[in-house]
Amino acid sequence: AQTVTQSQPEMSVQEAETVTLSCTYDTSENNYYLFWYKQPPSRQMILVIRQEAYKQQNATENRFSVNFQKAAKSFSLKISDSQLGDTAMYFCAFMKLEGAQKLVFGQGTRLTINP
Amino acid sequence: KAGVTQTPRYLIKTRGQQVTLSCSPISGHRSVSWYQQTPGQGLQFLFEYFSETQRNKGNFPGRFSGRQFSNSRSEMNVSTLELGDSALYLCASSWWGRDGETQYFGPGTRLLVL
Repeated sequence: AQTVTQSQPEMSVQEAETVTLSCTYDTSENNYYLFWYKQPPSRQMILVIRQEAYKQQNATENRFSVNFQKAAKSFSLKISDSQLGDTAMYFCAFMKLEGAQKLVFGQGTRLTINP
Repeated sequence: KAGVTQTPRYLIKTRGQQVTLSCSPISGHRSVSWYQQTPGQGLQFLFEYFSETQRNKGNFPGRFSGRQFSNSRSEMNVSTLELGDSALYLCASSWWGRDGETQYFGPGTRLLVL
């Protein structure tokens, strides 16, 4: 079974700073997908970024980028120029190939951006 | 295009009752997945439906069931409610439910069991 671990329960940074959220996972699969979702106080889960394990290039999406280290089974999220609207719970999630859309989530990191 | 909608948004029930939650996927999406979110257990996969068939099921007791209709709308049912069933229930949809396909989540239904 796959497991996803987010070792930082809470983080807090000042607006405009850069912050990195950590995620490690355990799997015996070679091909899979990794995601970062954010869940603001409204509770709506929103996709931030996704990474295919077979792609060596790290995914980027505007101010959001990942550092995917397949051998180390690490998948961190970097948020540049953080904004107040980035305040949310962030979840790292794993989906194996042919996993019928089953996401395995980490416990989440509560990120607060301070003015 | 309208997003995933879930009804009702809030629900209060008592132990022993049953409840039905509804999810309408994004137009054109055929795969619907359900997740339970609690402070203690985090986010856990319940089941996934595609073309009215359950393709995958999480590790939940048989009291949790679901179905999907021909228009891709889905319902989940919890019978004989227990206090521990209090949670946020999230529904997510995707086009075909293919490998790695992005899931789009609804706002959730918050269920409180008294």
